[in-house]
Amino acid sequence: EPEVTQTPSHQVTQMGQEVILRCVPISNHLYFYWYRQILGQKVEFLVSFYNNEISEKSEIFDDQFSVERPDGSNFTLKIRSTKLEDSAMYFCASSPFNEQFFGPGTRLTVL
Amino acid sequence: RKEVEQDPGPFNVPEGATVAFNCTYSNSASQSFFWYRQDCRKEPKLLMSVYSSGNEDGRFTAQLNRASQYISLLIRDSKLSDSATYLCVVNFNAGGTSYGKLTFGQGTILTVHP
Repeated sequence: EPEVTQTPSHQVTQMGQEVILRCVPISNHLYFYWYRQILGQKVEFLVSFYNNEISEKSEIFDDQFSVERPDGSNFTLKIRSTKLEDSAMYFCASSPFNEQFFGPGTRLTVL
Repeated sequence: RKEVEQDPGPFNVPEGATVAFNCTYSNSASQSFFWYRQDCRKEPKLLMSVYSSGNEDGRFTAQLNRASQYISLLIRDSKLSDSATYLCVVNFNAGGTSYGKLTFGQGTILTVHP
């Protein structure tokens, strides 16, 4: 069964550094998403991406965040200058239409 | 009012028990409804979509009441492997071009014991 994959599984970085989180969505899916989950809290929407552009973004997704689909298979989330409060699990999801399927996540720890 | 609100739990039940989770949502224009399960420190996994007519998948039954803005999940004959956090999830999109922005409830923890 096709799955969403994400790399790395765990990323440790210093405050102020840039990080790129990578995702490979399921191949025939058209809609791509990033969510995050701070430890002990609920899953929160960050951004949705369709037809090579952002279709919706949340208040969390400020100028420090960007997304890209550089080569037709990968889908990346970049955080330009990480803050302590960016520490969370970041989940990528993809969807053929309505139901969304999540990858295993990247645990980001900002020191 | 929270956008998606669930029973606080936790629920501790013996194997074989029937357990029900409830959820309410704030936006009457909501279009799509789901139950996901999440194991500790893992990703949410889609358990089932919830349809207006109600739907069943093996031991799991989901119901939707649009008038009351209420969703439920019933698990019959609980197994040890059902232990997880159950997430009520709503897509508030009212039919635009973006089929996104799932809004999650806080989750209800279920522990099934022998």
